[in-house]
Amino acid sequence: GQQVMQIPQYQHVQEGEDFTTYCNSSTTLSNIQWYKQRPGGHPVFLIQLVKSGEVKKQKRLTFQFGEAKKNSSLHITATQTTDVGTYFCAGQGSGTSYGKLTFGQGTILTVHP
Amino acid sequence: EAGVTQFPSHSVIEKGQTVTLRCDPISGHDNLYWYRRVMGKEIKFLLHFVKESKQDESGMPNNRFLAERTGGTYSTLKVQPAELEDSGVYFCASSQHKTQYFGPGTRLLVL
Repeated sequence: GQQVMQIPQYQHVQEGEDFTTYCNSSTTLSNIQWYKQRPGGHPVFLIQLVKSGEVKKQKRLTFQFGEAKKNSSLHITATQTTDVGTYFCAGQGSGTSYGKLTFGQGTILTVHP
Repeated sequence: EAGVTQFPSHSVIEKGQTVTLRCDPISGHDNLYWYRRVMGKEIKFLLHFVKESKQDESGMPNNRFLAERTGGTYSTLKVQPAELEDSGVYFCASSQHKTQYFGPGTRLLVL
């Protein structure tokens, strides 16, 4: 079945440093979604990427979807303590309309002030 | 607009007991999903409803789990009898299109 691998598992940064997490799917995706989960919270939707090679920005966050629609990345510029949490990518399989999400393992980000 | 709600927020039960989790999706969302996160592992899909019909239940671990969505509104997930390995956080999500919105989850602990 479809698998989504996400690295790194943990990332510790000093406030102001950049952060990147990467996802790679075993199969071509219809789209990929990114979520953020604060400690003790639930996944909160950040963004969805649909097109091959798509790049989207949200303030300090930059999301990319690979040309082959099998990989994606999230880059945060100049991290802040409010960025702390677990970042998940989640893919929907090619040909799937509104079906299940296959999640990566998540990257736990800690930011030291 | 109210988000996805789940009840209870926490449940502690003994092995062999029954637990029923409830999810109320965002109003108007036809798609409802159940996911589970076992400690230290990734969030895994359990099943997907479109209105009251089960579209995909490929992630249901075994026949101790029963999900229903009568009337196509709220959904329940019953675990009977519960086993130790059922412990984890059960998330519900809903969508009208591709973007899924998650509820706060039910933290289940089976002792």
